[in-house]
This record gives sequence, C-alpha cells and structure tokens, in this order.
Amino acid sequence: AQSVTQLDSHVSVSEGTPVLLRCNYSSSYSPSLFWYVQHPNKGLQLLLKYTSAATLVKGINGFEAEFKKSETSFHLTKPSAHMSDAAEYFCVVSDRGTGFQKLVFGTGTRLLVSP
Amino acid sequence: EPEVTQTPSHQVTQMGQEVILRCVPISNHLYFYWYRQILGQKVEFLVSFYNNEISEKSEIFDDQFSVERPDGSNFTLKIRSTKLEDSAMYFCASGTSGSVSDTQYFGPGTRLTVL
Repeated sequence: AQSVTQLDSHVSVSEGTPVLLRCNYSSSYSPSLFWYVQHPNKGLQLLLKYTSAATLVKGINGFEAEFKKSETSFHLTKPSAHMSDAAEYFCVVSDRGTGFQKLVFGTGTRLLVSP
Repeated sequence: EPEVTQTPSHQVTQMGQEVILRCVPISNHLYFYWYRQILGQKVEFLVSFYNNEISEKSEIFDDQFSVERPDGSNFTLKIRSTKLEDSAMYFCASGTSGSVSDTQYFGPGTRLTVL
C-alpha cells in the first residue's frame, strides 16, 4: 500500500524567508504525488502534482516540489513566504485501490508565518 | 472556474439520527469520492463511486453509510444512525478519469457534529 510521511507537524517561518515542508513516500510502483493546501475554514486546494514527467514541479502561488526517487522524497518549497501562505499543507499519494484512484493523505504540516 | 460545492457547511445532529450530506461535483466529472477528517487526525478515504455504483469502500464505510447520485448533479452521503464517533469534517471530491494520475477536486467540506 502507498503511504506518505510528513516529517514536521508545524513549521514556523518569518515573512520573506524560504519555506520547506518535508514529505517522504512509500510506493510499490511509480507514484503520483500531490500537495494540497487547506486554509482555515476552507476546502482542500490542489497546489501541484507529480505524475512521472518532470521531477521539478511548479505549482500555484510560487510553490514548487522536487521528486527525488533515490530519497523517496517530495518536499515542498517556496523561496519567500507570504502571510497568506499560513495554512495546513497535506502531502498525498495516489493509490490504485481495488476500484479506481483513492488518495492517501499525510498527517499534515501547519505552516505559521510571522511578520 | 468550476468548483465542487457542499451543503450544509455545518450540521449538528443527535446521536441515532439520520443525516444526509450533499455535494454537487464539477459538471463533467464522472468519478466521485467521500473522505472524512476527524479533528486532529488524517484525511481518510471513505468511498469511491462511478457509473452509479460504489467502486471501492474503506472499512470505515459500514452498513450505516450509503451514497447515492439521485439526479444528474447531486452526490449524497447518508449516515443512517449517527454515532458520536461520526463527528468529523466530510469532504466530497470529483475527478475526470479515476486513474492514479487524475486530480481530485475537493469541496469545502461539511462539519458534522453528533451530540
């Protein structure tokens, strides 16, 4: 079965500094990986996804993630944090299941951005 | 931009009562899903649905749960006799292909509180 591990439950940064949210995956086949963001009282919004094309994936709002097979990692980065980036971030791997796709979520990382 | 909608945003019910959570998926999507997130825990897969049939359900999705697409637009989750442990945020999602590389688009969620 597919799984993801988010290594930090909370990450705190100052506005304007880089963001790094860490994710490791476990997969028995070439994975499809996603990052979703959840702002307070909002739904889950797709930031970016990797599906075996380019290993460096660019997403919305300046975020990007790099797929590293040798490290089984899919870390999310942003060069300069903005106050509006404060949210919960989920690393997600896609599983085939017995039917169609089902998503397997990590435990989430809460990003705190201070002025 | 099309989006998944869910109603109500918050539902409070008494233990043992039936609840129906409603979702309107994106109009050209054919694959539908329900997930839930108990407070402080991971987002968990409940069920996938395609062509008016359940394609996969998790062990959480017992006989108290059912899903239905009663018309061409709505997708509902029914809990027949709610328990305290059903209190959670319930997310509906939809996708176009059901493949492992598909993107699932999520609604804003319904927060269910069982008293």
